[in-house]
Amino acid sequence: AQKVTQAQTEISVVEKEDVTLDCVYETRDTTYYLFWYKQPPSGELVFLIRRNSFDEQNEISGRYSWNFQKSTSSFNFTITASQVVDSAVYFCALSHSSNTGKLIFGQGTTLQVKP
Amino acid sequence: KAGVTQTPRYLIKTRGQQVTLSCSPISGHRSVSWYQQTPGQGLQFLFEYFSETQRNKGNFPGRFSGRQFSNSRSEMNVSTLELGDSALYLCASSLARGALPDTQYFGPGTRLTVL
Repeated sequence: AQKVTQAQTEISVVEKEDVTLDCVYETRDTTYYLFWYKQPPSGELVFLIRRNSFDEQNEISGRYSWNFQKSTSSFNFTITASQVVDSAVYFCALSHSSNTGKLIFGQGTTLQVKP
Repeated sequence: KAGVTQTPRYLIKTRGQQVTLSCSPISGHRSVSWYQQTPGQGLQFLFEYFSETQRNKGNFPGRFSGRQFSNSRSEMNVSTLELGDSALYLCASSLARGALPDTQYFGPGTRLTVL
């Protein structure tokens, strides 16, 4: 089965707090890609990061960081020093080499950052 | 470079009618994927077009169809609309350079309401 699970439905934090969004995936393929997208209230999905299954190196981009662990099938996303503008729905997604045009999305995590 | 555009942005139809949604990909992108987003089912893959051919298809009834033109623009059609078709329809384009998944960039979506 190919599946993405984001167990946290909603998270609320106060500005400047750090927050981690969890993502667990299931796949039998050895070659796959993982993605994170942000969906602000406007509705458009904004691409954040793409990571392939052979690259477990963690990545940092400004206040954003991602932790990919194949051993636990997880691809978690951390926002450091959160800001009100980070409020959005965040989606984790999975894609395979056998089905390149299809993204399998998790249910999303709604992040609310309060001032 | 212009992003993915979708028209119309909002649409109201009645049950039994049909609807056509349009998507213009980022210049140079050859693959277009369509997704349906609803509060209950989340983001679900409809189909993907590449070089004017449907390359992948999700688990939706035959009332949902699409096509791609030689300039990579794509349309999706829903016939005999049902109340449950009310959703945000998102289009995404990618370069589709080879056998591995490329990053998909999303448009703003078309909000379809069926009355």
